[in-house]
Amino acid sequence: DAGITQSPRHKVTETGTPVTLRCHQTENHRYMYWYRQDPGHGLRLIHYSYGVKDTDKGEVSDGYSVSRSKTEDFLLTLESATSSQTSVYFCAISESGGPYNEQFFGPGTRLTVL
Amino acid sequence: GENVEQHPSTLSVQEGDSAVIKCTYSDSASNYFPWYKQELGKRPQLIIDIRSNVGEKKDQRIAVTLNKTAKHFSLHITETQPEDSAVYFCAASPWGSNYKLTFGKGTLLTVNP
Repeated sequence: DAGITQSPRHKVTETGTPVTLRCHQTENHRYMYWYRQDPGHGLRLIHYSYGVKDTDKGEVSDGYSVSRSKTEDFLLTLESATSSQTSVYFCAISESGGPYNEQFFGPGTRLTVL
Repeated sequence: GENVEQHPSTLSVQEGDSAVIKCTYSDSASNYFPWYKQELGKRPQLIIDIRSNVGEKKDQRIAVTLNKTAKHFSLHITETQPEDSAVYFCAASPWGSNYKLTFGKGTLLTVNP
């Protein structure tokens, strides 16, 4: 597996509380992505980063924010968690350069919002 | 934006049979089509991909085909084994999209011994 870790791996929180998930890579890849995975929906892109301090929205970005202050770390924040954000969150990384780039996934974080 | 449809949502085969999963995409600018395998409780793992400049690619028991005119691509698994049981996802990435992937909703493949 590519050098990608996610923390925490499991978290239970209450509605209305802020939550931050961390993705850490040791591959020095330029691109990083946050997805959520829900039954019947596959993997949906939340936000992504194409460089330090460069981020953009994906298809399901409402209620989420991200930050990337250094190459190796990409943070996903739920400002005020809701039950609809209960999901498994995956981070992925992709190397820069060329017309095609494989994405490699981290181990995932299971988040439960009560 | 890109939209990817994947069929079937579930597929059950006998060990040794072949399995085929089909995907269609909407954005003619898509030029990269990976397939991921996800075992229960694990991360998605890239198993094969195809680029828009080729029509077919094989890797042992796995093959992918791409029809750009019809905007569809397929995953073929031959001589299936119980360890092939997993959820398979197709995806598409349009050129110039910062390598963003749009995924299909997945196919649960069960290989019965």
